[in-house]
Amino acid sequence: KQEVTQIPAALSVPEGENLVLNCSFTDSAIYNLQWFRQDPGKGLTSLLLIQSSQREQTSGRLNASLDKSSGRSTLYIAASQPGDSATYLCAVRGYGGATNKLIFGTGTLLAVQP
Amino acid sequence: EPEVTQTPSHQVTQMGQEVILRCVPISNHLYFYWYRQILGQKVEFLVSFYNNEISEKSEIFDDQFSVERPDGSNFTLKIRSTKLEDSAMYFCASAPGLEIGELFFGEGSRLTVL
Repeated sequence: KQEVTQIPAALSVPEGENLVLNCSFTDSAIYNLQWFRQDPGKGLTSLLLIQSSQREQTSGRLNASLDKSSGRSTLYIAASQPGDSATYLCAVRGYGGATNKLIFGTGTLLAVQP
Repeated sequence: EPEVTQTPSHQVTQMGQEVILRCVPISNHLYFYWYRQILGQKVEFLVSFYNNEISEKSEIFDDQFSVERPDGSNFTLKIRSTKLEDSAMYFCASAPGLEIGELFFGEGSRLTVL
């Protein structure tokens, strides 16, 4: 059974710092991995999607990498801003089944201090 | 930009009552999902829906729950005889297909069962 874990659970950094969020999964047979942002009491905003054949994806100040063999993904945020404060979730989709069922991690709560 | 919309944003109900949560997925999407997030816990998959039928469901999705796409645009989750432990944020999501597999989530409906 796939288990997804995110470290650290919470992180506080000063504005401008570069930071890395970690996601690990127990079953390396994944179809893709998606990173989301969740603001308090709000929905999930898709940030980046990495297919199993890809090593990384970039969008603006965000870069996500994927190492399937070691069961890890990282989300790199460059030059952090207070507006980046949110919970970041990673989710993996496995093979098999008829759908895009995602298994979510526990999330990392990020606070960027001005 | 197209988005998934959900109503109501917050519903309070008495234990034992029935609730219907509504979602309007992105218009050209073919796959529809419900997930839920109990406060402080992971986002969990409930059910996926394709071609007017359930394609996959979790063990959480028992006879208390049902889904419907009544008119080609709305996608509903019905919860019968609500229990205290049904209190959660319920997220609707949609996807254009399986190949790319990116899910787009709504803002969520918060259900409080008293």
